[in-house]
Amino acid sequence: SYDLTQPPSVSVSPGQTARITCSGDGLPKKYAYWYQQKSGQAPVLVVYDDSKRPSGIPERFSGSSSGTVATLTISGAQVDDEAVYYCYSTDSTNIEIIFGGGTKLTVL
Amino acid sequence: EVQLVESGGGLVQPGGSLRLSCTASGFTFRTYWMTWVRQAPGKGLDWVANINQDGTEEHYADSVKGRFTISRDKAKDTLYLQMNSLRVDDTAVYYCASALGAEPGDHWGQGTLVTVSS
Repeated sequence: SYDLTQPPSVSVSPGQTARITCSGDGLPKKYAYWYQQKSGQAPVLVVYDDSKRPSGIPERFSGSSSGTVATLTISGAQVDDEAVYYCYSTDSTNIEIIFGGGTKLTVL
Repeated sequence: EVQLVESGGGLVQPGGSLRLSCTASGFTFRTYWMTWVRQAPGKGLDWVANINQDGTEEHYADSVKGRFTISRDKAKDTLYLQMNSLRVDDTAVYYCASALGAEPGDHWGQGTLVTVSS
């Protein structure tokens, strides 16, 4: 197993680009996934398989992965994007699900 | 409309037991892996357990192995989590989720709160 490390917080002004990183030794071989969780709500998938965007997720959300670091990018962040973002991946056997600690995005 | 509705949470004393249920509707429940994820108050997401489509394969986080049991009833489109020997640090909102990370298929319930306290 391995850990996924995220910065605790990221802050941007409206319209700026927000980048949230997720680092882990298993990421070169496993996909990264990203969830958005707003206060009091269940998580919502915003990126899957490193860089794909689910239906209904705005185009300003994108993902990438290189080596041991996966990145969630929000281009032109909006106040409504304020939330905690979690990355997750799996262990080498695809059995254990590993979550990052979460990054609180502030847009103001 | 896809819905996952958890129930069964509540207050229980340390060492006690509780069974959570998650009833699915609006999608073909039997075709998806199902997962329980928990979130302690003010903390991050924590994987608990998952189960394959026909219930023949189960996996658990080390923190709950031997105490929790995941199961599913395809006739009732319902996922369960039997929690025994509960500890104070099991206190959390418990979410059920379908097809974690899959598109389409990734859906979450609104969660049910389990509080372990004397």
